[in-house]
Amino acid sequence: NAGVTQTPKFQVLKTGQSMTLQCAQDMNHNSMYWYRQDPGMGLRLIYYSASEGTTDKGEVPNGYNVSRLNKREFSLRLESAAPSQTSVYFCASSAAGLGGTEAFFGQGTRLTVV
Amino acid sequence: GESVGLHLPTLSVQEGDNSIINCAYSNSASDYFIWYKQESGKGPQFIIDIRSNMDKRQGQRVTVLLNKTVKHLSLQIAATQPGDSAVYFCAETYENRDDKIIFGKGTRLHILP
Repeated sequence: NAGVTQTPKFQVLKTGQSMTLQCAQDMNHNSMYWYRQDPGMGLRLIYYSASEGTTDKGEVPNGYNVSRLNKREFSLRLESAAPSQTSVYFCASSAAGLGGTEAFFGQGTRLTVV
Repeated sequence: GESVGLHLPTLSVQEGDNSIINCAYSNSASDYFIWYKQESGKGPQFIIDIRSNMDKRQGQRVTVLLNKTVKHLSLQIAATQPGDSAVYFCAETYENRDDKIIFGKGTRLHILP
């Protein structure tokens, strides 16, 4: 039961570097999400994808890009990392629709930008 | 704008007592609500959900109450155990094709021995 898998688990970047966070789910879910979690701020939605081929901005999209590569994979890219992007990033997926929209989360990627 | 918030950032409860975690939401169009539990170093985990056509839903040791009139949600945990120590988030969403889940800031539940 893999569920939602995120890579890497930890990453340190220098300011200005770029990187891509990978996420894959094996539950055949339509919707996928990227959140960031900062102390005292809870979970904030960066981008989401309601279905393969579509992406939409969430609350805090600036500085990020996403790609819904196929139904399984949803990647998050930081083109030019900034210290303000130091956070824990969570990918999630949900079936959506009549069955409810309970989201399943990955274990998170702890990113530090120095 | 849309927001989901919590009344208390930290709640301390004696082991064995019942816990009540509260949540306020601002968007009356929200029709599906979820409670998540997040243990240290892990991603959030689903606890229980409720739709807007319900007032109450019970699970194993947990009950969610929804008051649409005042846009208030609560999570009740019966006979709180040390393993219940975590941060609890409420979340809201909309049952349309482009649904997205918006989370509140979270309440930390601390269990006293």
